[in-house]
Amino acid sequence: GAVVSQHPSWVICKSGTSVKIECRSLDFQATTMFWYRQFPKQSLMLMATSNEGSKATYEQGVEKDKFLINHASLTLSTLTVTSAHPEDSSFYICSANPSGRRVYNEQFFGPGTRLTVL
Amino acid sequence: EDKVVQSPLSLVVHEGDTVTLNCSYEVTNFRSLLWYKQEKKAPTFLFMLTSSGIEKKSGRLSSILDKKELSSILNITATQTGDSAIYLCAAPRGNTPLVFGKGTRLSVIA
Repeated sequence: GAVVSQHPSWVICKSGTSVKIECRSLDFQATTMFWYRQFPKQSLMLMATSNEGSKATYEQGVEKDKFLINHASLTLSTLTVTSAHPEDSSFYICSANPSGRRVYNEQFFGPGTRLTVL
Repeated sequence: EDKVVQSPLSLVVHEGDTVTLNCSYEVTNFRSLLWYKQEKKAPTFLFMLTSSGIEKKSGRLSSILDKKELSSILNITATQTGDSAIYLCAAPRGNTPLVFGKGTRLSVIA
């Protein structure tokens, strides 16, 4: 159990376009999901916490107008990279905890989305 | 500032060797420490440690937490080429999501 999927698994886009990445919890409900970004040879950096039915909480230095997060249901969170630039090219990973479990428990990660902006 | 520090950053060993990966942490309201293995995609969960001195074991992998030293180690015995990966250590800061270390890149050569 506790499977998280992401779509697409990879995407290539032109500079200036917007890209939407979906994160779904397949067999559990998640009131909270997390979005991470990982640059090559670096660790995962938390970007934002996505809360179902309310606004996302962004980490310091992450532009909320550039990285739009929508958590419209208990099983789906989306991250939209608006007006993407080459420096946004990265590996984006989401994770989720089943509702009711504390966030310091094991988190379940999606397979990641590799974004390349030309 | 909350942080998780791993060492070494990279390691190359031969098949059959035993390796020890280190993780130290400074986090507010410590609750748990987690180890993940990352190959080409997203991290896969290995262990969650909450109590000091209790070893968790899964096959050739084992891990233990030392709350006095604010550290943890991950041991891999009889390494295989399939163990080649980045091993990540992480801790939630209080009741918020994970702070990750930079990882240890392990390469096991035949």
